[in-house]
Amino acid sequence: DTEVTQTPKHLVMGMTNKKSLKCEQHMGHRAMYWYKQKAKKPPELMFVYSYEKLSINESVPSRFSPECPNSSLLNLHLHALQPEDSALYLCASSQGLREGGNYGYTFGSGTRLTVV
Amino acid sequence: QKEVEQDPGPLSVPEGAIVSLNCTYSNSAFQYFMWYRQYSRKGPELLMYTYSSGNKEDGRFTAQVDKSSKYISLFIRDSQPSDSATYLCAMRNNAGNMLTFGGGTRLMVKP
Repeated sequence: DTEVTQTPKHLVMGMTNKKSLKCEQHMGHRAMYWYKQKAKKPPELMFVYSYEKLSINESVPSRFSPECPNSSLLNLHLHALQPEDSALYLCASSQGLREGGNYGYTFGSGTRLTVV
Repeated sequence: QKEVEQDPGPLSVPEGAIVSLNCTYSNSAFQYFMWYRQYSRKGPELLMYTYSSGNKEDGRFTAQVDKSSKYISLFIRDSQPSDSATYLCAMRNNAGNMLTFGGGTRLMVKP
């Protein structure tokens, strides 16, 4: 299995809703990432998990809450979002530094989020 | 100045042309260089991965890294309409897994 699977593919939510994005990989990667991508822009890093521990939070608002239940799963919990949070949310994984970390990321296809 | 600069395009070429995509960077600590292809509304797909300077070839794709000039290139031979996408360069240093992306170049290959 060489894929990163993200669900759902599309999500429309109101500003008072609570929802979660899910990401799964079975490549044995020990680093997992959440990125946000706006149209015609490169991906922007949000969070990094390394060996199931949060290692980087790029000053992301608290309305985004990541969770890594195990080495294969990564969630992003959403609450009280704003319309400007509408974007493509990408999950990625890579080898951890202890395994050499010498390869690029594998990205999922993303969740297209619309906040209304 | 951004750490990684990439011409946004769009770059429009006829089918069969050789395409050259480029990135320049300012951080001399970058050691690993990648090219990703991203189709509209999809996640980026890793195309090429190179370490340090030199060339790497994979089918119609060739990646070049010139660390002395802080310049990387991706060449696409015999371009096809299916190559139409946004191409993102990305790079990182030895210290961690963090990638720094270029802004992406939009390529259009016309039949």
